[in-house]
Amino acid sequence: NAGVTQTPKFQVLKTGQSMTLQCAQDMNHEYMSWYRQDPGMGLRLIHYSVGAGITDQGEVPNGYNVSRSTTEDFPLRLLSAAPSQTSVYFCASSSGTGHSEAFFGQGTRLTVV
Amino acid sequence: QQQVKQSPQSLIVQKGGISIINCAYENTAFDYFPWYQQFPGKGPALLIAIRPDVSEKKEGRFTISFNKSAKQFSLHIMDSQPGDSATYFCAASPNIMTTDSWGKLQFGAGTQVVVTP
Repeated sequence: NAGVTQTPKFQVLKTGQSMTLQCAQDMNHEYMSWYRQDPGMGLRLIHYSVGAGITDQGEVPNGYNVSRSTTEDFPLRLLSAAPSQTSVYFCASSSGTGHSEAFFGQGTRLTVV
Repeated sequence: QQQVKQSPQSLIVQKGGISIINCAYENTAFDYFPWYQQFPGKGPALLIAIRPDVSEKKEGRFTISFNKSAKQFSLHIMDSQPGDSATYFCAASPNIMTTDSWGKLQFGAGTQVVVTP
């Protein structure tokens, strides 16, 4: 069972470039989200989705875009990469029933130079 | 500004010792408090969780203590083992009856635990 799969695992971008981080889950979870992890900051919510076609902003949404066309996929787009977006990005999913467990992918380490 | 404050940032404990990590919050709407464990190069994984209607929850060597009046909760790792070396995050989520609470899961800054042999 794959769970939550993120690609790529590593990426180096130049300032101003755009790219999409992919996230897919095979658990038929309604809720999906993107977090960034920075030293001393914990995990901060970027965007989340409560179902296909529904997305909302989290704590740090600026510079990122999301869409949710299917239950399985929740890609994160960096519109114009900046050095401040150097981070480790995690995608998570949950069934959303009550306070259910969040399942995380293995992360994408992004460096913007 | 983090809504969940976690301390210490790191700790070193000898094998067999007790690791204690503390978290505090201000938002009284929080009513679900999970702890996540993260190994290097991996995503966080749920370790144990508690709701404020109980003061303590134990699962194996891991115990959450919860003090609702002080708005504090802590993780105790008893008989710490080298395999427990990881980063631990506390988190909090608002009441599910008020809003789409799952999207509002707030994490602490994390504690890196190193258990020496």
